[in-house]
Amino acid sequence: NAGVMQNPRHLVRRRGQEARLRCSPMKGHSHVYWYRQLPEEGLKFMVYLQKENIIDESGMPKERFSAEFPKEGPSILRIQQVVRGDSAAYFCASSPGQTNEQFFGPGTRLTVL
Amino acid sequence: AQSVTQLDSQVPVFEEAPVELRCNYSSSVSVYLFWYVQYPNQGLQLLLKYLSGSTLVKGINGFEAEFNKSQTSFHLRKPSVHISDTAEYFCAVSGVTGGGNKLTFGTGTQLKVEL
Repeated sequence: NAGVMQNPRHLVRRRGQEARLRCSPMKGHSHVYWYRQLPEEGLKFMVYLQKENIIDESGMPKERFSAEFPKEGPSILRIQQVVRGDSAAYFCASSPGQTNEQFFGPGTRLTVL
Repeated sequence: AQSVTQLDSQVPVFEEAPVELRCNYSSSVSVYLFWYVQYPNQGLQLLLKYLSGSTLVKGINGFEAEFNKSQTSFHLRKPSVHISDTAEYFCAVSGVTGGGNKLTFGTGTQLKVEL
């Protein structure tokens, strides 16, 4: 049973470009969480999604950031017009239900030049 | 809302010595508690969790933690550490409410095991 997969593992973008981060949850998991880890900091919750629904986006910046989890395919975290402050590690976690353990992916490390 | 405090940003310890990593939390509701380990350039791996029941929780790799409700603490312990335990350790909480299980993390403790 494959774990949570994230790609790309490393992503380099210039200021103003778009970044798309993908997360494939574990088989049978329909709940996805996105977290951001800034340098020298802990992880901060961004958004919680179920298939085709955003349940909690209280941690998402108000502008430039969006997330989706379509019926088919991976969850996508999209950052438009990236700025240097977006440089961070972005982790995805999945779980089979609301109160179950979350399994984390290896993360995508975004560098904005 | 919840918050987590890990007072020690770094803990150096010699191999085979005991270690305790401290975690305190605050919350207006009941919580679930977790400890995760992160090795360099990797994702997080769950060490142990407290959901209910016995306040002493045993996890993987010989780690254990004790939930102390009166002191709002969930300290992580290991009686004898190994070089391979060198990593970043994160304490996390989630509220026992509906609407998902989003985790609130502490800032992490870097455990450095030396020979």
